[in-house]
Amino acid sequence: GQNIDQPTEMTATEGAIVQINCTYQTSGFNGLFWYQQHAGEAPTFLSYNVLDGLEEKGRFSSFLSRSKGYSYLLLKELQMKDSASYLCAAVDSNYQLIWGAGTKLIIKP
Amino acid sequence: DVKVTQSSRYLVKRTGEKVFLECVQDMDHENMFWYRQDPGLGLRLIYFSYDVKMKEKGDIPEGYSVSREKKERFSLILESASTNQTSMYLCASSPPEAGANVLTFGAGSRLTVL
Repeated sequence: GQNIDQPTEMTATEGAIVQINCTYQTSGFNGLFWYQQHAGEAPTFLSYNVLDGLEEKGRFSSFLSRSKGYSYLLLKELQMKDSASYLCAAVDSNYQLIWGAGTKLIIKP
Repeated sequence: DVKVTQSSRYLVKRTGEKVFLECVQDMDHENMFWYRQDPGLGLRLIYFSYDVKMKEKGDIPEGYSVSREKKERFSLILESASTNQTSMYLCASSPPEAGANVLTFGAGSRLTVL
């Protein structure tokens, strides 16, 4: 079957760095998305990786290892506004999205 | 600014009522989707549409139907609401290009069925 795993909740301190992991098992693979969702709001696109390696976008970076079925989202210089849920979604061979349950990130001052 | 609008943010309905959830996008996207989001579960696809008048079942279509009479509007219908349909419903759209496309989501419609 197809499966995505990510931690349910993480806590970090303002100004610090946090890494949110996501492991996936899919029928075929056509990339992995990360979305951010603030409470009561729409999920918004953060990143898409299809090749191995790290992609950096300002304070946020996303990493993919296709051989390990593993991705992470790295958030640097954490700000209070980064408190949100982070959703991982893998794209299978039919270009359907398989979603993780999301990781709720709590930032403490 | 790209936008997907869900007309009702909060609804409370009774068991057996017919419920309409409306979604409108202004990006001229061909693809539209309805998901439900429940605590501890990933987003689950209910129905999707790649064109006007076209619809495809997602992973959990039972108890739901959809309508796409115009390109910009995709409606989710609960013919006879049940308590297990209490959930957050998210509409999304994407452009028609082949491959993995970025979804633009609406803010969600939180439905409570009593």
